[in-house]
Amino acid sequence: SYELTQPPSVSVSPGQTARITCSGDALPKKYAYWYQQKSGQAPVLVIYEDSKRPSGIPERFSGSSSGTMATLTISGAQVEDEADYYCYSTDSSGNHKVFGGGTKLTVL
Amino acid sequence: QLQLQESGSGLVKPSQTLSLTCAVSGGSISSGGYSWSWIRQPPGKGLEWIGYIYHSGSTYYNPSLKSRVTISVDRSKNQFSLKLSSVTAADTAVYYCARGSGDHRTVHFDYWGQGTLVTVSS
Repeated sequence: SYELTQPPSVSVSPGQTARITCSGDALPKKYAYWYQQKSGQAPVLVIYEDSKRPSGIPERFSGSSSGTMATLTISGAQVEDEADYYCYSTDSSGNHKVFGGGTKLTVL
Repeated sequence: QLQLQESGSGLVKPSQTLSLTCAVSGGSISSGGYSWSWIRQPPGKGLEWIGYIYHSGSTYYNPSLKSRVTISVDRSKNQFSLKLSSVTAADTAVYYCARGSGDHRTVHFDYWGQGTLVTVSS
């Protein structure tokens, strides 16, 4: 089955840039999406189609994709950005919808 | 503003069928271009896509769950439902309903319900 691989944790100080990666064999041909999930809450879409930002999402959130890796970048991370972040995509056939294992972002 | 709200039994016995409903408000479930989805998250673990249904009635399920899953739509009530049969403790999770945007190959989930915890235990 198809898998997306993320680092379990990333830690930065407030104001620093946080980068969370997601690797998958189909990413050269398939979009990556990113979700933020704060403790006890439902996930929120923060990046879609590799690099687009939904309305209401702060500009410090950006996304990129190159080859088999997609990256979520939070420029000037803030304490309120502490959360679990999940990438999401599909396999090359489009039939298997998969979330990455999640990355816990700590900002302190 | 679109809102989704899950409801259903929070406790299911092993081997029985889990049943959940998602009520949609602020928009019509019959709107074209969207799918209506279920996603789950075991306690302390990551997200797992279960499946979705389009307004046309076409359904797509996670291959690992396909034999046990049924998703249906009730347009008159503007809601959709999930049934998962032969449950075990491994099916204990927070179950989310969500709206999917895009066609089957590009679908992603842009509006989510708050989630409901379902525990499988005797």
